[in-house]
Amino acid sequence: QQQVKQSPQSLIVQKGGIPIINCAYENTAFDYFPWYQQFPGKGPALLIAIRPDVSEKKEGRFTISFNKSAKQFSLHIMDSQPGDSATYFCAASSKTSGSRLTFGEGTQLTVNP
Amino acid sequence: KAGVTQTPRYLIKTRGQQVTLSCSPISGHRSVSWYQQTPGQGLQFLFEYFSETQRNKGNFPGRFSGRQFSNSRSEMNVSTLELGDSALYLCASSLLGQGAANTGELFFGEGSRLTVL
Repeated sequence: QQQVKQSPQSLIVQKGGIPIINCAYENTAFDYFPWYQQFPGKGPALLIAIRPDVSEKKEGRFTISFNKSAKQFSLHIMDSQPGDSATYFCAASSKTSGSRLTFGEGTQLTVNP
Repeated sequence: KAGVTQTPRYLIKTRGQQVTLSCSPISGHRSVSWYQQTPGQGLQFLFEYFSETQRNKGNFPGRFSGRQFSNSRSEMNVSTLELGDSALYLCASSLLGQGAANTGELFFGEGSRLTVL
């Protein structure tokens, strides 16, 4: 029940494409859903996050869509660039879990020029 | 503002040895958490410290331990190393528990890569 399932495991798109990464969770206590971006040799960095009181959040080229009834959320990257090539992790936490994030398995994104 | 600093960045140990990793959080952050990252298991939560107290613990054996000092710096220790402990150990700091300033964001360091031979 604590798991967060992420797909796909890897994704290759052309520059300008719109990669979509999906995550699903089961624990209804989760109330915070961040996405982290990780480049090789670096730690993960927060990209964008959403709470379940909204169905969509947009920051620049990154958009989270959230479906509370389906317990699913996804990341869309508009006008993707080669510099977006990285590993993306979805995650979830609850009010009582402190800084304990439950991470998805990760998606390795490659944006070809 | 300096980010989260982890030392050492790389280390090699042999089975049975122990290791201590260090983490300096962002100034003003009192919450420090540790994660283990491996290709097979992904990112897994080890424990969280706040004001020198362990606030949360993941599902790792007792060989994994940590502590936090009064200046919020944290260390984690792994005793009796096993081959499976080879991983990237990430430290993250945040403003969790510090009222309105908290956005929920974790700020990760670049990690300590441990190889156990």
